[in-house]
Amino acid sequence: GAVVSQHPSRVICKSGTSVKIECRSLDFQATTMFWYRQFPKQSLMLMATSNEGSKATYEQGVEKDKFLINHASLTLSTLTVTSAHPEDSSFYICSAPVSDGHGYTFGSGTRLTVV
Amino acid sequence: DAKTTQPTSMDCAEGRAANLPCNHSTISGNEYVYWYRQIHSQGPQYIIHGLKNNETNEMASLIITEDRKSSTLILPHATLRDTAVYYCIVQTDSWGKLQFGAGTQVVVTP
Repeated sequence: GAVVSQHPSRVICKSGTSVKIECRSLDFQATTMFWYRQFPKQSLMLMATSNEGSKATYEQGVEKDKFLINHASLTLSTLTVTSAHPEDSSFYICSAPVSDGHGYTFGSGTRLTVV
Repeated sequence: DAKTTQPTSMDCAEGRAANLPCNHSTISGNEYVYWYRQIHSQGPQYIIHGLKNNETNEMASLIITEDRKSSTLILPHATLRDTAVYYCIVQTDSWGKLQFGAGTQVVVTP
Protein backbone atom coordinates (compact mmCIF):
# COMPACT_ATOMS: atom_id res chain seq x y z
CA GLY A 1 0.00 0.00 0.00
CA ALA A 2 0.85 3.67 -0.12
CA VAL A 3 3.57 4.64 2.34
CA VAL A 4 4.58 7.95 3.87
CA SER A 5 8.11 7.94 5.25
CA GLN A 6 8.61 10.38 8.14
CA HIS A 7 11.99 11.48 9.51
CA PRO A 8 13.42 11.83 12.00
CA SER A 9 11.62 9.46 14.35
CA ARG A 10 13.09 11.18 17.39
CA VAL A 11 14.82 14.49 17.88
CA ILE A 12 16.07 16.39 20.89
CA CYS A 13 16.87 20.04 20.45
CA LYS A 14 17.76 23.01 22.60
CA SER A 15 15.33 25.82 23.30
CA GLY A 16 15.48 28.50 20.65
CA THR A 17 16.64 26.27 17.83
CA SER A 18 14.64 25.07 14.84
CA VAL A 19 13.80 21.52 13.85
CA LYS A 20 12.68 20.24 10.47
CA ILE A 21 10.49 17.18 10.05
CA GLU A 22 10.16 15.56 6.63
CA CYS A 23 7.42 13.42 5.19
CA ARG A 24 7.93 11.72 1.85
CA SER A 25 5.35 9.79 -0.11
CA LEU A 26 7.25 6.78 -1.40
CA ASP A 27 5.05 5.26 -4.07
CA PHE A 28 2.41 7.83 -4.77
CA GLN A 29 2.02 11.53 -5.27
CA ALA A 30 0.75 13.42 -2.25
CA THR A 31 -0.87 16.61 -3.40
CA THR A 32 -2.17 17.14 0.12
CA MET A 33 -0.50 16.48 3.46
CA PHE A 34 -2.04 16.89 6.87
CA TRP A 35 0.08 17.64 9.92
CA TYR A 36 -0.97 16.59 13.40
CA ARG A 37 0.36 17.07 16.90
CA GLN A 38 -0.30 14.69 19.75
CA PHE A 39 0.40 15.32 23.41
CA PRO A 40 0.70 12.42 25.87
CA LYS A 41 -2.55 10.58 26.51
CA GLN A 42 -4.41 12.83 24.07
CA SER A 43 -5.79 12.37 20.59
CA LEU A 44 -4.30 13.70 17.38
CA MET A 45 -4.91 17.40 16.83
CA LEU A 46 -4.86 18.69 13.29
CA MET A 47 -2.42 21.57 12.94
CA ALA A 48 -2.41 22.39 9.27
CA THR A 49 -3.05 21.22 5.74
CA SER A 50 -0.42 21.62 3.07
CA ASN A 51 -1.08 21.50 -0.64
CA GLU A 52 1.64 21.11 -3.22
CA GLY A 53 2.59 24.42 -4.71
CA SER A 54 0.44 26.60 -2.47
CA LYS A 55 0.44 28.03 1.02
CA ALA A 56 -0.57 25.83 3.89
CA THR A 57 -3.78 26.43 5.76
CA TYR A 58 -3.56 26.41 9.52
CA GLU A 59 -6.12 25.42 12.13
CA GLN A 60 -7.30 28.02 14.56
CA GLY A 61 -4.77 28.68 17.28
CA VAL A 62 -1.78 27.29 15.38
CA GLU A 63 0.92 29.89 14.76
CA LYS A 64 1.89 29.82 11.11
CA ASP A 65 5.14 31.68 11.74
CA LYS A 66 6.20 29.13 14.31
CA PHE A 67 5.22 26.02 12.40
CA LEU A 68 6.48 26.54 8.87
CA ILE A 69 5.14 24.11 6.32
CA ASN A 70 6.59 23.62 2.87
CA HIS A 71 5.12 21.36 0.22
CA ALA A 72 7.30 22.11 -2.75
CA SER A 73 6.92 18.79 -4.53
CA LEU A 74 4.37 16.02 -4.94
CA THR A 75 6.43 13.70 -2.78
CA LEU A 76 7.79 15.89 -0.01
CA SER A 77 6.22 18.01 2.70
CA THR A 78 8.17 19.48 5.59
CA LEU A 79 7.24 20.97 8.94
CA THR A 80 9.77 23.25 10.61
CA VAL A 81 9.29 24.11 14.25
CA THR A 82 11.03 27.46 14.66
CA SER A 83 12.43 28.82 17.90
CA ALA A 84 11.35 25.70 19.70
CA HIS A 85 10.36 25.82 23.35
CA PRO A 86 9.76 23.01 25.83
CA GLU A 87 6.00 23.35 25.35
CA ASP A 88 6.49 22.38 21.70
CA SER A 89 7.65 18.97 22.84
CA SER A 90 5.14 16.58 21.32
CA PHE A 91 4.57 13.77 18.83
CA TYR A 92 4.17 15.11 15.30
CA ILE A 93 2.51 13.02 12.60
CA CYS A 94 1.89 13.59 8.92
CA SER A 95 -0.84 12.04 6.82
CA ALA A 96 -1.84 11.94 3.18
CA PRO A 97 -4.99 10.75 1.45
CA VAL A 98 -4.48 7.76 -0.81
CA SER A 99 -6.46 6.47 -3.73
CA ASP A 100 -6.11 2.77 -2.97
CA GLY A 101 -9.33 2.71 -1.02
CA HIS A 102 -7.64 2.91 2.37
CA GLY A 103 -8.50 6.48 3.20
CA TYR A 104 -5.40 8.06 4.61
CA THR A 105 -1.88 6.83 5.21
CA PHE A 106 0.19 8.11 8.11
CA GLY A 107 3.84 8.66 8.81
CA SER A 108 5.37 6.85 11.75
CA GLY A 109 5.61 10.06 13.75
CA THR A 110 8.37 12.26 15.15
CA ARG A 111 8.94 12.57 18.88
CA LEU A 112 10.25 16.07 19.50
CA THR A 113 11.79 16.91 22.85
CA VAL A 114 12.89 20.49 23.48
CA VAL A 115 15.29 20.94 26.38
CA ASP B 1 -18.21 15.87 9.16
CA ALA B 2 -20.37 13.96 11.63
CA LYS B 3 -19.09 13.45 15.14
CA THR B 4 -18.68 10.03 16.65
CA THR B 5 -19.03 8.64 20.16
CA GLN B 6 -16.96 5.72 21.40
CA PRO B 7 -16.39 4.17 24.81
CA THR B 8 -13.25 5.41 26.50
CA SER B 9 -11.75 2.02 27.11
CA MET B 10 -12.31 -1.67 26.70
CA ASP B 11 -10.55 -4.81 27.88
CA CYS B 12 -10.46 -7.99 25.88
CA ALA B 13 -9.05 -11.44 26.52
CA GLU B 14 -6.49 -12.76 24.10
CA GLY B 15 -8.07 -15.08 21.53
CA ARG B 16 -11.57 -13.73 22.05
CA ALA B 17 -13.45 -11.43 19.72
CA ALA B 18 -13.33 -7.71 20.47
CA ASN B 19 -16.45 -5.75 19.54
CA LEU B 20 -15.88 -1.99 19.43
CA PRO B 21 -19.00 0.16 19.14
CA CYS B 22 -19.28 3.59 17.58
CA ASN B 23 -22.24 5.94 17.42
CA HIS B 24 -22.52 8.38 14.52
CA SER B 25 -26.15 9.42 14.63
CA THR B 26 -25.65 12.54 12.49
CA ILE B 27 -23.89 10.79 9.64
CA SER B 28 -24.74 12.04 6.16
CA GLY B 29 -25.61 9.88 3.19
CA ASN B 30 -22.26 10.42 1.49
CA GLU B 31 -20.10 9.85 4.57
CA TYR B 32 -18.14 6.68 5.05
CA VAL B 33 -17.28 5.08 8.37
CA TYR B 34 -13.53 4.65 8.75
CA TRP B 35 -11.66 2.84 11.48
CA TYR B 36 -8.03 3.47 12.32
CA ARG B 37 -5.91 2.32 15.21
CA GLN B 38 -2.83 3.75 16.85
CA ILE B 39 -0.38 1.57 18.66
CA HIS B 40 1.58 3.46 21.28
CA SER B 41 4.13 5.90 19.83
CA GLN B 42 3.31 5.03 16.22
CA GLY B 43 1.32 6.70 13.48
CA PRO B 44 -2.29 5.59 13.01
CA GLN B 45 -2.99 2.60 10.81
CA TYR B 46 -5.97 2.09 8.52
CA ILE B 47 -8.16 -0.88 9.47
CA ILE B 48 -11.34 -0.85 7.41
CA HIS B 49 -14.07 1.38 6.07
CA GLY B 50 -17.63 1.10 4.75
CA LEU B 51 -20.60 3.06 3.52
CA LYS B 52 -23.69 0.90 3.99
CA ASN B 53 -22.79 -2.72 3.69
CA ASN B 54 -20.88 -4.81 6.16
CA GLU B 55 -17.24 -5.19 5.25
CA THR B 56 -14.53 -7.72 6.08
CA ASN B 57 -10.84 -7.79 5.43
CA GLU B 58 -7.84 -9.60 6.83
CA MET B 59 -7.77 -7.41 9.92
CA ALA B 60 -11.36 -6.95 10.97
CA SER B 61 -15.05 -6.85 10.16
CA LEU B 62 -17.24 -3.77 10.12
CA ILE B 63 -20.93 -4.02 10.86
CA ILE B 64 -23.00 -0.93 10.03
CA THR B 65 -26.61 -0.72 11.19
CA GLU B 66 -29.29 -0.32 8.58
CA ASP B 67 -29.97 3.29 9.60
CA ARG B 68 -26.19 3.91 9.57
CA LYS B 69 -26.33 5.63 12.92
CA SER B 70 -23.94 3.21 14.53
CA SER B 71 -21.34 0.62 13.68
CA THR B 72 -19.24 -2.07 15.31
CA LEU B 73 -15.68 -3.01 14.56
CA ILE B 74 -14.98 -6.66 15.22
CA LEU B 75 -11.51 -8.02 15.80
CA PRO B 76 -12.27 -11.73 15.50
CA HIS B 77 -9.39 -13.17 17.51
CA ALA B 78 -7.68 -10.47 19.52
CA THR B 79 -3.96 -10.76 20.12
CA LEU B 80 -1.69 -8.82 22.43
CA ARG B 81 -0.53 -6.85 19.38
CA ASP B 82 -4.05 -5.49 18.98
CA THR B 83 -3.62 -3.37 22.10
CA ALA B 84 -4.07 0.16 20.75
CA VAL B 85 -6.36 3.17 20.59
CA TYR B 86 -9.08 2.61 18.01
CA TYR B 87 -10.61 5.59 16.25
CA CYS B 88 -13.97 5.62 14.48
CA ILE B 89 -14.23 8.51 12.02
CA VAL B 90 -16.91 9.46 9.52
CA GLN B 91 -15.62 11.09 6.40
CA THR B 92 -16.66 11.83 2.88
CA ASP B 93 -14.47 10.57 0.07
CA SER B 94 -13.43 14.08 -0.88
CA TRP B 95 -10.19 13.85 1.07
CA GLY B 96 -11.01 16.65 3.46
CA LYS B 97 -9.58 17.09 6.92
CA LEU B 98 -9.52 13.97 9.06
CA GLN B 99 -10.47 14.92 12.59
CA PHE B 100 -9.83 12.48 15.41
CA GLY B 101 -11.97 12.04 18.50
CA ALA B 102 -10.77 10.48 21.72
CA GLY B 103 -11.06 6.90 20.47
CA THR B 104 -11.30 3.68 22.49
CA GLN B 105 -8.27 2.36 24.33
CA VAL B 106 -8.35 -1.40 23.86
CA VAL B 107 -6.18 -3.52 26.11
CA VAL B 108 -5.83 -7.18 25.23
CA THR B 109 -4.79 -9.31 28.18
CA PRO B 110 -3.36 -12.82 28.24
